[in-house]
Amino acid sequence: GQQLNQSPQSMFIQEGEDVSMNCTSSSIFNTWLWYKQDPGEGPVLLIALYKAGELTSNGRLTAQFGITRKDSFLNISASIPSDVGIYFCAGRRGGTSYGKLTFGQGTILTVHP
Amino acid sequence: EAQVTQNPRYLITVTGKKLTVTCSQNMNHEYMSWYRQDPGLGLRQIYYSMNVEVTDKGDVPEGYKVSRKEKRNFPLILESPSPNQTSLYFCASRGTSGQETQYFGPGTRLLVL
Repeated sequence: GQQLNQSPQSMFIQEGEDVSMNCTSSSIFNTWLWYKQDPGEGPVLLIALYKAGELTSNGRLTAQFGITRKDSFLNISASIPSDVGIYFCAGRRGGTSYGKLTFGQGTILTVHP
Repeated sequence: EAQVTQNPRYLITVTGKKLTVTCSQNMNHEYMSWYRQDPGLGLRQIYYSMNVEVTDKGDVPEGYKVSRKEKRNFPLILESPSPNQTSLYFCASRGTSGQETQYFGPGTRLLVL
């Protein structure tokens, strides 16, 4: 069953504010991924993390692979209206389970102009 | 254009009537997956395939079947659909290990009465 806990479940912010969300697991993952889903679309990969402690940026987005390998964080700086959507974390264990991907419940982000 | 296609996009059916949702990708990807998306639960992996004739269970495989006879196609079969399988279904594909970008199809919205 579901093993990733993502928080917060939803956020309502003003344009220009920074956003933080996180994902925690009861077990270790070898890869952490962050996706964004726009209404009516499939998710799109934002950032991939492969090593504990890794910090990776993609424009205004920054994500970190937690030291314990059981958590990950996503920050969005200076939010804009097009940041609206659902953000998902996902984890992969690797090895013989390389194809298996577990998602968090998602964070619904609303940005007020 | 690189894409993942799913058919049908919308389907209303009745309990017990077998159905198949098709998925096809034109990127010569090895990995393909099926997910279901339900409010508050995020995406949950149903089945995945690492190559032709190689499939494995995801987190919620009960009530579903898959096959991978050709590299480009990965149909999802519901032998006897039930109302709790009402959901939004996504097919996805990606290349060999190390290529994290997973391409999602447009989704199939299924209602089982």
